[in-house]
Amino acid sequence: DAMVIQNPRYQVTQFGKPVTLSCSQTLNHNVMYWYQQKSSQAPKLLFHYYDKDFNNEADTPDNFQSRRPNTSFCFLDIRSPGLGDAAMYLCATSRDLAGSGEAFFGQGTRLTVV
Amino acid sequence: AQKITQTQPGMFVQEKEAVTLDCTYDTSDPSYGLFWYKQPSSGEMIFLIYQGSYDQQNATEGRYSLNFQKARKSANLVISASQLGDSAMYFCAMREGLKASGTYKYIFGTGTRLKVLA
Repeated sequence: DAMVIQNPRYQVTQFGKPVTLSCSQTLNHNVMYWYQQKSSQAPKLLFHYYDKDFNNEADTPDNFQSRRPNTSFCFLDIRSPGLGDAAMYLCATSRDLAGSGEAFFGQGTRLTVV
Repeated sequence: AQKITQTQPGMFVQEKEAVTLDCTYDTSDPSYGLFWYKQPSSGEMIFLIYQGSYDQQNATEGRYSLNFQKARKSANLVISASQLGDSAMYFCAMREGLKASGTYKYIFGTGTRLKVLA
């Protein structure tokens, strides 16, 4: 059973039209991450939550926002998508403990901007 | 800052043969974790194997093993007996501790695309 679920798998949005991507988890992990992955590139961290504490990467554009209403859900809001925001968006979770602590990823949402 | 380098953009391997995917890293943190993920064309990142910086032995998980050479700062992935289903993108990643938030983030290399030939 999938433990990190992203919806939708594919999203097409118009240039400048706000769009929201969602992520849910059944692992009860404290930490949730949003990564942006453009074609043939490494995933790039946009921000993460540690419980309700929001941590933004310094180079994440203001166009990208996030909400985490509870432990299970996290949303990525793109306020005014541009053509350059077309990418795969990956949600991940991890525990806040040392040890192996791998990140668990969802299937991703592939965003197309037209 | 921590950095992951994967110098092989693409690799081919014959089915049932072994293949090594290279990964080097740079960090000043004495405690770190190294990971390998597989990303098929469907997009999901699948965790394969983990190596902690203090682990004395190389990690193994089924057909996957990690050749950890700490002095050289390398963490190469070895896939034995390649299968057609192994064709995918492979990412090496490092976990970086974040003092401000008390948690970790994962930084990734640029990946190696592996194609297994029948």
